[in-house]
Amino acid sequence: KNQVEQSPQSLIILEGKNCTLQCNYTVSPFSNLRWYKQDTGRGPVSLTIMTFSENTKSNGRYTATLDADTKQSSLHITASQLSDSASYICVVSAIQAGTALIFGKGTTLSVSS
Amino acid sequence: NAGVTQTPKFQVLKTGQSMTLQCAQDMNHEYMSWYRQDPGMGLRLIHYSVGAGITDQGEVPNGYNVSRSTTEDFPLRLLSAAPSQTSVYFCASSPARGDWHNSPLHFGNGTRLTVT
Repeated sequence: KNQVEQSPQSLIILEGKNCTLQCNYTVSPFSNLRWYKQDTGRGPVSLTIMTFSENTKSNGRYTATLDADTKQSSLHITASQLSDSASYICVVSAIQAGTALIFGKGTTLSVSS
Repeated sequence: NAGVTQTPKFQVLKTGQSMTLQCAQDMNHEYMSWYRQDPGMGLRLIHYSVGAGITDQGEVPNGYNVSRSTTEDFPLRLLSAAPSQTSVYFCASSPARGDWHNSPLHFGNGTRLTVT
């Protein structure tokens, strides 16, 4: 069964600190892996998309890594800001028609001052 | 560009009532979809469309209908609302029918629906 598991479920860090969010998946055949940021009361916004051949991709202070062999990804946030407080959702795309996106449940990050 | 616009933002229905959730995008995206987001669960696909006149079912289609008469609009209809349909509904779009697998989804800001 195609699944995406994220950890931790929630995380609290101090402003300025770094953090890493984890995503493990069992999706086949794999097409790409995406990270989205969802602010409270808003729709998800795309941060990165990585295909099988990419093992790292950055978007400002956000850096995603992908290990396709172990089926693991991480999202590293550098020098966190209060505005980073949000839910971060890992999404894996399978190579199939139609409904091919498998969503994780998300990690809720709270950045405090 | 406004992106993906969803209306209304909030709605309360009584069991058995019907309503339409509106979704419009101004990016000329071919692919559009509807998701529901429930506490403790990942987003789940309800229906999707790869172009005007073409729709298909997703993971949780029961109780919902869609149509795609134009590229811009993709309304979601609840035929007879049930408490189990209490959720936050998101519309999303993506460019290029053949390339949507590798293109990011652009989400609207959701409609929060409560069915009593």
